[in-house]
Amino acid sequence: GENVEQHPSTLSVQEGDSAVIKCTYSDSASNYFPWYKQELGKGPQLIIDIRSNVGEKKDQRIAVTLNKTAKHFSLHITETQPEDSAVYFCAARTSTSYGKLTFGQGTILTVHP
Amino acid sequence: GAVVSQHPSWVICKSGTSVKIECRSLDFQATTMFWYRQFPKQSLMLMATSNEGSKATYEQGVEKDKFLINHASLTLSTLTVTSAHPEDSSFYICSAPALAGGGTDTQYFGPGTRLTVL
Repeated sequence: GENVEQHPSTLSVQEGDSAVIKCTYSDSASNYFPWYKQELGKGPQLIIDIRSNVGEKKDQRIAVTLNKTAKHFSLHITETQPEDSAVYFCAARTSTSYGKLTFGQGTILTVHP
Repeated sequence: GAVVSQHPSWVICKSGTSVKIECRSLDFQATTMFWYRQFPKQSLMLMATSNEGSKATYEQGVEKDKFLINHASLTLSTLTVTSAHPEDSSFYICSAPALAGGGTDTQYFGPGTRLTVL
């Protein structure tokens, strides 16, 4: 089955800096890669996603890049703000997984004011 | 985006009792919903896939007789934790795929239910 590795496990940045979180996946049949933000005691919130026919997607301060050859994808947050502090999860899904997502281990992002 | 709700948001029960958690898709229909379990500082672990009108599909290692799933309608799935024990204490989250632009689906999560078994 699919395996998703996420790094780093913790990331600390100063307000205004950029943050990058990286994930690798094992199944070359994976074609959908969402990123979720989870605040303490809440459910994951979709912040951006990318499909395998696209190499990069951007939404304001957030961007995701996908390298299918290397089987990795990354989340980029620019101009970080304290409210960006949360746990971020990457995930991958294959066309044959009946919609099931495989999650990375999560990254605790702390943005210091 | 689409909205998924869960009820209750938190529940405390005594060991040996059963607890039911509801998951609803508020503004879309979902023939499939997913149930996850999350322990503190860990990732989400898929427990089962809930299918409207048919039996749920459980992941390996998940006891189907302990975690009963019923997908009663296109907007409601329930998870019942039977004979709960302290080790069942966890954060339970459901999700449902909703069609986004271009006919592709995106998975939306509920706010989660914190279960504490005394």
